[in-house]
Amino acid sequence: DQQVKQNSPSLSVQEGRISILNCDYTNSMFDYFLWYKKYPAEGPTFLISISSIKDKNEDGRFTVFLNKSAKHLSLHIVPSQPGDSAVYFCAASGRGSGGSNYKLTFGKGTLLTVNP
Amino acid sequence: DTEVTQTPKHLVMGMTNKKSLKCEQHMGHRAMYWYKQKAKKPPELMFVYSYEKLSINESVPSRFSPECPNSSLLNLHLHALQPEDSALYLCASSQWGLPYNEQFFGPGTRLTVL
Repeated sequence: DQQVKQNSPSLSVQEGRISILNCDYTNSMFDYFLWYKKYPAEGPTFLISISSIKDKNEDGRFTVFLNKSAKHLSLHIVPSQPGDSAVYFCAASGRGSGGSNYKLTFGKGTLLTVNP
Repeated sequence: DTEVTQTPKHLVMGMTNKKSLKCEQHMGHRAMYWYKQKAKKPPELMFVYSYEKLSINESVPSRFSPECPNSSLLNLHLHALQPEDSALYLCASSQWGLPYNEQFFGPGTRLTVL
């Protein structure tokens, strides 16, 4: 059972426009959410995160929105640049003990292509 | 230094070989992780170490044997692997004891089992 879902395998946008990547989760124990960006043949790079006590977190061109009642989060990239083209993974971690709160559950990823 | 390094970058091994993957970080993180990632799939957690002790083993077969010799190093010893074990193996590290968990990943080792 997939607990973190990224239903769009791919997204294509024009340079300068907004990119919106979506993520849904089913486990109500998740309380911390992260976005990672991954280029081919490289490890994931941490991008931005949000805790469940917030509904928005912004860092430069990247903003993450969290809607807890809908169990939905989204990553907005404005303006999009060709260098943003990569696979974006949504990940979640939850409350727990004995290290279980340190387990990240990843979605399957969305391939973002930003066209010049 | 905000980098996690992994060696080797690529590894090809036979099913009877014994090899090791290495990971190093100098961010003072006390948690280190091994993940496995197959093509077009998300990373899957294998092991978590905190303060050099194994905290989580996600029911990984015993042909994968992790080791944490000190707070900066993490090894993954491989023995009698199967072709289906071919994947990208990622190491990550994070702080421990905080209410949140931002993990920093290395570039990975691309493993091919013949």
